Amino acid sequence: DAKTTQPNSMESNEEEPVHLPCNHSTISGTDYIHWYRQLPSQGPEYVIHGLTSNVNNRMASLAIAEDRKSSTLILHRATLRDAAVYYCILRPHGSGNTGKLIFGQGTTLQVKP
Amino acid sequence: GAVVSQHPSRVICKSGTSVKIECRSLDFQATTMFWYRQFPKQSLMLMATSNEGSKATYEQGVEKDKFLINHASLTLSTLTVTSAHPEDSSFYICSARDRGVGTEAFFGQGTRLTVV
Repeated sequence: DAKTTQPNSMESNEEEPVHLPCNHSTISGTDYIHWYRQLPSQGPEYVIHGLTSNVNNRMASLAIAEDRKSSTLILHRATLRDAAVYYCILRPHGSGNTGKLIFGQGTTLQVKP
Repeated sequence: GAVVSQHPSRVICKSGTSVKIECRSLDFQATTMFWYRQFPKQSLMLMATSNEGSKATYEQGVEKDKFLINHASLTLSTLTVTSAHPEDSSFYICSARDRGVGTEAFFGQGTRLTVV
């Protein structure tokens, strides 16, 4: 499975934008970039995913580098409820793929009031 | 979004006993479910892939006879920790994908197992 690299931790101030980076230099052409987050004592929740183009949804935006070797999850206005561990995961798509997710260490985001 | 429910959310058991954890997809059918384990301050570790109507596929290093997985229907998978020991104390999390649509995975709320 292709590996991702994320900073261990980041801090943000409430109501300011947050940019969470992820490096995935060994990404293959069939790998989608997925982001999940895990709040304390809960299961992870889906945030966003993309392949080549930037993506937006109600939770966040995903900016994908042109060479796809890195991506950035953007929270436009951080709130205290966004404090969580954010995981960037590569998931191959295609027939015969089980869809399992392999989690790295993720980035622990602290949001200060 | 789709809902995956785990039960129980917390369980304490005595060493040597077995514990069953249920994972249900409430509003969709899941051909495949996944079981993870998470120790404090660590990331999720995939234990096994649970396939409806067939044997589970275990990750390397996970004892299939200790962690019994049954996926008898498209909405239910169970994980049984047999002969539990204190080192099995952990946070167990299941996930499932809706076989019909989408590519995102949905996770249960997790089960905190404490073996005393």
